[in-house]
Amino acid sequence: GENVEQHPSTLSVQEGDSAVIKCTYSDSASNYFPWYKQELGKRPQLIIDIRSNVGEKKDQRIAVTLNKTAKHFSLHITETQPEDSAVYFCAASSYREYGNKLVFGAGTILRVKS
Amino acid sequence: DAGVIQSPRHEVTEMGQEVTLRCKLISGHNSLFWYRQTMMRGLELLIYFNNNVPIDDSGMPEDRFSAKMPNASFSTLKIQPSEPRDSAVYFCASRLAGGANEQFFGPGTRLTVL
Repeated sequence: GENVEQHPSTLSVQEGDSAVIKCTYSDSASNYFPWYKQELGKRPQLIIDIRSNVGEKKDQRIAVTLNKTAKHFSLHITETQPEDSAVYFCAASSYREYGNKLVFGAGTILRVKS
Repeated sequence: DAGVIQSPRHEVTEMGQEVTLRCKLISGHNSLFWYRQTMMRGLELLIYFNNNVPIDDSGMPEDRFSAKMPNASFSTLKIQPSEPRDSAVYFCASRLAGGANEQFFGPGTRLTVL
């Protein structure tokens, strides 16, 4: 089955700097890659996703890139702000006849220092 | 739309007691996922349903755990008997089945087993 590795496990950046979180997946059939943000005590919430027919997607300060050949995808946050501090999870999913499920990475704790 | 609804939000119980967690899907969604989150093990998928049918229960830790979907909009996760190691935050999530559709998480139930 699918296995998703996420790095780094913790990341500290200065406010205004960029943050990059990387994930690799094992199942070449995976075709959907969402990123979730979870603030302390809250639920995970989708911040951006990318499908396998696209190499890059951007939404304001957040971008995701996908390299299908290498089976890795990355989250880029530019001009980080203190409110970006949270745990970020990547996930991968592939369609199966019987349904599909998200396989999550272990998470990255992002701390933005002001 | 109220989003995914979970109850109770907090549950404190004693070892050996039965615990029932409840989840109401977003109207129109037909896939339901139960997750458990702990610091040590991260976000684990326990079981998921498509159209009320359990598709994959390989994540259910043991026979003490059971999940049902008595109708298209409601699910329960039961732990009987509960043990201290079951203490965790339990999330349910719902989605439109098939393809690459966003998965929405509920607010979670924080379970403490003494």
